[in-house]
Amino acid sequence: GENVEQHPSTLSVQEGDSAVIKCTYSDSASNYFPWYKQELGKRPQLIIDIRSNVGEKKDQRIAVTLNKTAKHFSLHITETQPEDSAVYFCASSTDSWGKLQFGAGTQVVVTP
Amino acid sequence: NAGVTQTPKFQVLKTGQSMTLQCAQDMNHEYMSWYRQDPGMGLRLIHYSVGAGITDQGEVPNGYNVSRSTTEDFPLRLLSAAPSQTSVYFCASRPTGRTNEKLFFGSGTQLSVL
Repeated sequence: GENVEQHPSTLSVQEGDSAVIKCTYSDSASNYFPWYKQELGKRPQLIIDIRSNVGEKKDQRIAVTLNKTAKHFSLHITETQPEDSAVYFCASSTDSWGKLQFGAGTQVVVTP
Repeated sequence: NAGVTQTPKFQVLKTGQSMTLQCAQDMNHEYMSWYRQDPGMGLRLIHYSVGAGITDQGEVPNGYNVSRSTTEDFPLRLLSAAPSQTSVYFCASRPTGRTNEKLFFGSGTQLSVL
């Protein structure tokens, strides 16, 4: 089955700097790649997603890039703010009716 | 809409006890699922359902049962609780079984098995 690896497991950044989280997937048939954010004690919430027919997608300060050849995708957060502190999960799925496979998560800490 | 509602928020069990975690959604979603979240292991799928009367196993189904008698409800049953089932449990739903749709999560249940 699909395997998703996420790095790093923890990331500490200075407020205003950029943060990058990378995920790799194993199945070349994967075609959907969402990112979920989970604040402390809260539920995960979708922040951005990308499909395999698109190489990059942006939404204000966050962006996701996809490299299908290398089978990896990344989350980029620019101009980080304290409210960006959270655990971020990447995920991938191989087909329309398959199972969504999550990465292990990245704890992002933004220090003032 | 209330979205996805989970009860209880916290639960402590003794080894061997049984209990049911409740999950309800009011968005008329076909797909409902249960995940467990453990430190360093992400979100792992326990069971899922693509409609009333249809359930299937996820990645870590052992020790858990589910049923889907209505579109709204998807309870998770722990048959004989074990310390290894100490975890945070999330129920999640989406409009259909298609994986390329947003998942809506409940607020979670923190379960401790002593």
